[in-house]
Amino acid sequence: GQQVMQIPQYQHVQEGEDFTTYCNSSTTLSNIQWYKQRPGGHPVFLIQLVKSGEVKKQKRLTFQFGEAKKNSSLHITATQTTDVGTYFCAGPVAFGTGTRLTIIP
Amino acid sequence: SAVISQKPSRDICQRGTSLTIQCQVDSQVTMMFWYRQQPGQSLTLIATANQGSEATYESGFVIDKFPISRPNLTFSTLTVSNMSPEDSSIYLCSAQGHREAFFGQGTRLTVV
Repeated sequence: GQQVMQIPQYQHVQEGEDFTTYCNSSTTLSNIQWYKQRPGGHPVFLIQLVKSGEVKKQKRLTFQFGEAKKNSSLHITATQTTDVGTYFCAGPVAFGTGTRLTIIP
Repeated sequence: SAVISQKPSRDICQRGTSLTIQCQVDSQVTMMFWYRQQPGQSLTLIATANQGSEATYESGFVIDKFPISRPNLTFSTLTVSNMSPEDSSIYLCSAQGHREAFFGQGTRLTVV
């Protein structure tokens, strides 16, 4: 079945530093979605990527979908304490393993 | 967008008993799903709740243990049957929107 791995599993950064999480699927994805889950909360949708090589930006967040549609990345510029949480990518069938971001003020 | 009300938010249950979790969506949705999430882990899909027919279960999950109902397009229940401590987890329902999945607030289940 489809497996979606993310690296790193954990990331601790100083406030103001950048952060990137990478998502890799064992199979080609028709689309990929990204979610953020705050501690104690539920996953909240961030964005969906559909096209090969697609890049989308949301303020300080940049999302990329690989040319082969098997990988994706989320980059956060100049992290803030509000960025704390676990970021999941998700294919149509499976969620990624997640990257937990903590911020050192 | 859709708003999902999930209850209970948490419960502590005795082993051998059953708990039914309910999810109410504020609009009609075609697809609803049930997930399990261990603390600090990713979401694992339990099953797809199909309206008017039996749920579709993922590998490792069976109907006898996790019976699901979907009587209409806005409501679904998941029952965790004959619970053991290994069933302690967070259970989440979700509804598929046009692009994204919307999630309930989750049910934190502890089995003692």
